[in-house]
Amino acid sequence: QKEVEQNSGPLSVPEGAIASLNCTYSDRVSQSFFWYRQYSGKSPELIMSIYSNGDKEDGRFTAQLNKASQYVSLLIRDSQPSDSATYLCAVRDTGRRALTFGSGTRLQVQP
Amino acid sequence: GAGVSQSPSNKVTEKGKDVELRCDPISGHTALYWYRQSLGQGLEFLIYFQGNSAPDKSGLPSDRFSAERTGGSVSTLTIQRTQQEDSAVYLCASSPTGANQPQHFGDGTRLSIL
Repeated sequence: QKEVEQNSGPLSVPEGAIASLNCTYSDRVSQSFFWYRQYSGKSPELIMSIYSNGDKEDGRFTAQLNKASQYVSLLIRDSQPSDSATYLCAVRDTGRRALTFGSGTRLQVQP
Repeated sequence: GAGVSQSPSNKVTEKGKDVELRCDPISGHTALYWYRQSLGQGLEFLIYFQGNSAPDKSGLPSDRFSAERTGGSVSTLTIQRTQQEDSAVYLCASSPTGANQPQHFGDGTRLSIL
């Protein structure tokens, strides 16, 4: 059973702080990794994608991938109350197009 | 351009009835996916269409679930003889051709079985 694990939270951080969201996956052939943000009652919105080891930065967001440790993370710098949402980690395996999602981490940014 | 469009946005029906959910993908996207999300849970893959290839149905939970994609564009997900455990948000996503192309989601259909 392929699994993607996330701490359900809530993760509470003060406004302006760095929020660190973590995700581990069980299948070593996993190839592509995605972070989606989902506001309550809304559909998932793609935030970041990462395919190779290391860091990838886009504005206030940084995705980090370590395939040896089967670990992917998302850092949000200068957190804002509008960042309060559930963050879903998704993994795509080699040869398969469907994504396997974690159950999400709920982030609360306190003003 | 327009995003993934799903209809209806909400559907309430009685147990045992059949329902049809519709998805209109982003123009030019060859891949189309159906997922469902139960309350407080992550997304569960149901079925995947890529061009004219045979669909990947490996995620369909029972033979009451079926889907088709006509003309490589619009897709319908059909649930026959609905059960209360089918209550969930059904999400459709599409992506361009290519292994690492991200999926873009529609707003979903919230299905409630009474």
